[in-house]
Amino acid sequence: QVQLLESGPGLVKPSETLSLTCTVSGDSVVRDTYYWSWIRQPPGKGLEWIGYIYFSGNTWYNPSLKSRVAISLDTSKNQFSLKLTSVTAADTAIYYCARVTTFIQVVPFDYWGQGTLVTVSS
Amino acid sequence: DIQMTQSPSSLSASMGDRVTITCRASQSISNYLNWYQQKPGQAPNLLIYAASTLQSGVPSRFSGSGSGTDFTLTITSLQPEDFATYHCQQSYNIPNTFGQGTKVEI
Repeated sequence: QVQLLESGPGLVKPSETLSLTCTVSGDSVVRDTYYWSWIRQPPGKGLEWIGYIYFSGNTWYNPSLKSRVAISLDTSKNQFSLKLTSVTAADTAIYYCARVTTFIQVVPFDYWGQGTLVTVSS
Repeated sequence: DIQMTQSPSSLSASMGDRVTITCRASQSISNYLNWYQQKPGQAPNLLIYAASTLQSGVPSRFSGSGSGTDFTLTITSLQPEDFATYHCQQSYNIPNTFGQGTKVEI
């Protein structure tokens, strides 16, 4: 049974860097059949895709966030991480990590973490 | 970016009703359309991928159709556990984008 669990600070000050980690169990982040992704949802609003990382370390980001975002892998801990710099109140959201299955052509998000609320406030 | 527009934004329904939710893409996305169900306080859950393929474990009262720009999610005989928000998502290109969600309420 695949499980993903987000962790990190729930409060970040404006202009600082948001850092979250997703720990994967029941699967390996170095399998070539998956991408690993971050998605966020401002309270009461819709979902926004942030980016993917592949086992090779290749990354794809939402252009709207590309200048501020970095996703990385820690294969020794079976984790992947998100860093978002220069945050503002607009970055307040529930942040989800998710698995993307590449052996399904349309690459859906088939497993999700429970989500973690990050509030940007001084 | 491809814009995904869902309608309606919310709807009221009763148990046993047939419910239809529409998702329209701003350009053709072939069948690169996925549907998710999200209950309050929970993460989204994959229901349907490739426009019409039911994810394993999803009840057969859920179905999807469409191709190109127009897609539909149908729930036949609404059950209590189906009251939730439904999101469509295109995976045709980057950035992946989602619809604004449709809340199904009693």
